[in-house]
Amino acid sequence: DIQMTQSPSSVSASVGDRVSITCRASQDISSWLAWYQQKPGKAPKLLIHAASSLQSGVPSRFSGSGSGKDFTLTISSLQPEDFATYFCQQTKSFSWTFGQGTKVEVK
Amino acid sequence: VQLVQSGGEVKKPGASVTVSCKAYGYTFSDFGISWVRQAPGQGLEWMGWINTYNGNTNYTQKVRGRVTMTTETATNTAYMELRSLRSDDTAVYYCARDQDDSTGYFDSWGQGTLVTVSS
Repeated sequence: DIQMTQSPSSVSASVGDRVSITCRASQDISSWLAWYQQKPGKAPKLLIHAASSLQSGVPSRFSGSGSGKDFTLTISSLQPEDFATYFCQQTKSFSWTFGQGTKVEVK
Repeated sequence: VQLVQSGGEVKKPGASVTVSCKAYGYTFSDFGISWVRQAPGQGLEWMGWINTYNGNTNYTQKVRGRVTMTTETATNTAYMELRSLRSDDTAVYYCARDQDDSTGYFDSWGQGTLVTVSS
């Protein structure tokens, strides 16, 4: 299986900050990558697919970049509703796998 | 688009559980369905995928042999059966709609079903 490694595992930030989360695949996955946001007790929400395509309805402060093995999710100006856990996911090949998650916390 | 899952379950080790996922608001057979689970305080684990048109499946090796995913197109419902339950199967189980057939991008999720395995 392709392993996905996120960093950092947690980040403390303030409203208005620029936050970046990275995700590294154990092998080349081209652009077969998604990013999800999950809040406590809720199902995940798709933010980005195909590494950089913003899902419909998702605010433009979220952006994704990268290809191959290295990917980044950036929140340009953190809003109060963005404090959550973020997961990357590769879909290059079955079994689809997720990163371990990055928790964005209040500083 | 809405996916509505069945309620929580408590099972003993060795038992089986079936979780259902009823789809509303779209043509059921046009989109694949995956099942993803999350153990308490842990990350997300993809379990498998089913093509809702022809029933083809793909399961992760970790649960292969213990899991069966099926669909009932007459009622727009997907099912996930997990057998020989162990304590480490305790998790919230989600169904999720694939954005297309098998892109792996999940654009709609069920509310989750907590399955507790305990003696």
